[in-house]
Amino acid sequence: GAVVSQHPSWVICKSGTSVKIECRSLDFQATTMFWYRQFPKQSLMLMATSNEGSKATYEQGVEKDKFLINHASLTLSTLTVTSAHPEDSSFYICSARDWAGVGYGYTFGSGTRLTVV
Amino acid sequence: DQQVKQNSPSLSVQEGRISILNCDYTNSMFDYFLWYKKYPAEGPTFLISISSIKDKNEDGRFTVFLNKSAKHLSLHIVPSQPGDSAVYFCAASAAGNQFYFGTGTSLTVIP
Repeated sequence: GAVVSQHPSWVICKSGTSVKIECRSLDFQATTMFWYRQFPKQSLMLMATSNEGSKATYEQGVEKDKFLINHASLTLSTLTVTSAHPEDSSFYICSARDWAGVGYGYTFGSGTRLTVV
Repeated sequence: DQQVKQNSPSLSVQEGRISILNCDYTNSMFDYFLWYKKYPAEGPTFLISISSIKDKNEDGRFTVFLNKSAKHLSLHIVPSQPGDSAVYFCAASAAGNQFYFGTGTSLTVIP
C-alpha cells in the first residue's frame, strides 16, 4: 500500500532556531499534501495545503512566514518552523493525497513531535 | 466551528464485547469519511473508510456505518481486544479536499 515517510519523528530544539520536517511519499506521487498540527487532547487542525510546484494555501490564523512549506517535487513536501518558540511545541502530521482511480486515497505520515526549549 | 464532532471523550468496554464509537458531522457536502486510531506520540493509523455512496463498510473486526440523513457515522469493533485501546478519530472530507477531524474518543478495553 501507499506509504508516507515523515522525518524526524521527534526533535528538540532551542528557542529561536529553525526546524525542518520532511514528508515523503515513497511509492506514489502526491500532487497535494496536507500539514496538520495537534495540541494535547485536541483534534488535528489543518495548517496548510501544499500543492506541488505552487505556493501553499494556509488556513486562517497560521503564519505563513513562520511555517514555511515547500512542495518542490511530487514526492516531497517540507515544513520549516522558523524562529521556533515554546508555544510551537506540538505534534505535526502530514498527509499525502493521490488519485486511486475511483477516488482519492489519503496516507498519513507517522508524525513529528516538536519540543522547543 | 467544529464540523465533525465526537461527543463522547471516552469509552470503556469489556474485552470481547462490542465497542461503538460515534461521530456526527454538519456539512452535507462531505463525501468521504474515515476512522483512524492514535497511540500517544505516534501518528494516526488508518482503520477504515467509507464513501458517501455506501452506508456500510466492513473490514475484519471493524465496521463503519454511515447514515447520511442523520449526518452520523459510527465505528463498531467486534470483538474488542485490549490492543484496541487508543484514541479514535473520525474525519470527513468533501470533494477530495482536506479532512476535518473530530476531537477523538479514548477507548479503553478492559481485559
